[in-house]
Amino acid sequence: QQPVQSPQAVILREGEDAVINCSSSKALYSVHWYRQKHGEAPVFLMILLKGGEQKGHEKISASFNEKKQQSSLYLTASQLSYSGTYFCGTDLNDYKLSFGAGTTVTVRA
Amino acid sequence: EAQVTQNPRYLITVTGKKLTVTCSQNMNHEYMSWYRQDPGLGLRQIYYSMNVEVTDKGDVPEGYKVSRKEKRNFPLILESPSPNQTSLYFCASSARTAAYQPQHFGDGTRLSIL
Repeated sequence: QQPVQSPQAVILREGEDAVINCSSSKALYSVHWYRQKHGEAPVFLMILLKGGEQKGHEKISASFNEKKQQSSLYLTASQLSYSGTYFCGTDLNDYKLSFGAGTTVTVRA
Repeated sequence: EAQVTQNPRYLITVTGKKLTVTCSQNMNHEYMSWYRQDPGLGLRQIYYSMNVEVTDKGDVPEGYKVSRKEKRNFPLILESPSPNQTSLYFCASSARTAAYQPQHFGDGTRLSIL
């Protein structure tokens, strides 16, 4: 039941944009997004609840498309600090949280 | 400081030798869970607990046990560890069920089973 993330990896130059997608075959209740730096614990970015709202965190925002059971994370005007692995976590309202395999983002100067 | 504390941070042990990884949170959170992280597979949930004395299986529970006797503690027990349980383990907690609240992760425990 793990969600599918794409792409697996992306390389950006500072200031460029990127989109990370997270898809599920099941009806989603909420989607979480986390970022993990090398050797560290995952850190919470945002939660999107059923309802299709878009949220933002600095220049990182996300959307949730209920009809497609898909969420997208938008990295805008990327900074070096955005480098890391991004995970989406999906909740089917069954108290579990399933994470995707992750998308590694590398931002270069 | 609000935190989730795991111990040990690193452990190398041998097949079959029982071990316990402790997890403690000081935020009075109801929901706690354990994940393992393996290259290319992301984070997979092992067990979770909704509250004291309430635990349930995640996606990969085989070979693991947990208990929740106190709200703050959620130990992970490997009764007879095997090499395929070599992994990076994270404990996490949240105020309520996973759907509504951000997960606060511990710093991780790297287990090597020889």
